Amino acid sequence: EPEVTQTPSHQVTQMGQEVILRCVPISNHLYFYWYRQILGQKVEFLVSFYNNEISEKSEIFDDQFSVERPDGSNFTLKIRSTKLEDSAMYFCAGGTSGREYFGPGTRLTVT
Amino acid sequence: RKEVEQDPGPFNVPEGATVAFNCTYSNSASQSFFWYRQDCRKEPKLLMSVYSSGNEDGRFTAQLNRASQYISLLIRDSKLSDSATYLCASLSNYQLIWGAGTKLIIKP
Repeated sequence: EPEVTQTPSHQVTQMGQEVILRCVPISNHLYFYWYRQILGQKVEFLVSFYNNEISEKSEIFDDQFSVERPDGSNFTLKIRSTKLEDSAMYFCAGGTSGREYFGPGTRLTVT
Repeated sequence: RKEVEQDPGPFNVPEGATVAFNCTYSNSASQSFFWYRQDCRKEPKLLMSVYSSGNEDGRFTAQLNRASQYISLLIRDSKLSDSATYLCASLSNYQLIWGAGTKLIIKP
């Protein structure tokens, strides 16, 4: 059964540094998503991506965030200048219309 | 303003019992609803979609009440492996809006 994969599983970075989180979605999915979940809190939508462009984004997804799907395979989330409050689990997902398949997540720790 | 609300629990339930969760939503324009299951420090996994006519899959039944704006999940004959956090989500403007989850603990 195909799976969504994410790397790294855990990323530790210093405040102000740039991080890139990587995801390989299931190949036949058309929509891709990034979510975050701060420890002990609810899952929060960040952005959806379709046909090589952002289709929706939340208020969280400000100018510090960007997404790319450079080679038709990898789907990346970049945070330009990390803040302490960016520490969270970041989940990539693919699917459509609410039926989404999540990757195992990347735990981002900003120190 | 909370768009999707759930009782955080935990619900402590003996094995074999039936347990029910409710989830309320505030956006009457929400198109679709879903139940996901999340194990500790793992990713959410889709459990069920919720249709207006109700949806049943084995021991799990999900129902939607649009008039009262809530969805429900019923688990029959609960098993130890059902212990997890159950998240409800509504689809609004192509975004999933999540509840904070209800923690379920099944005790032997």
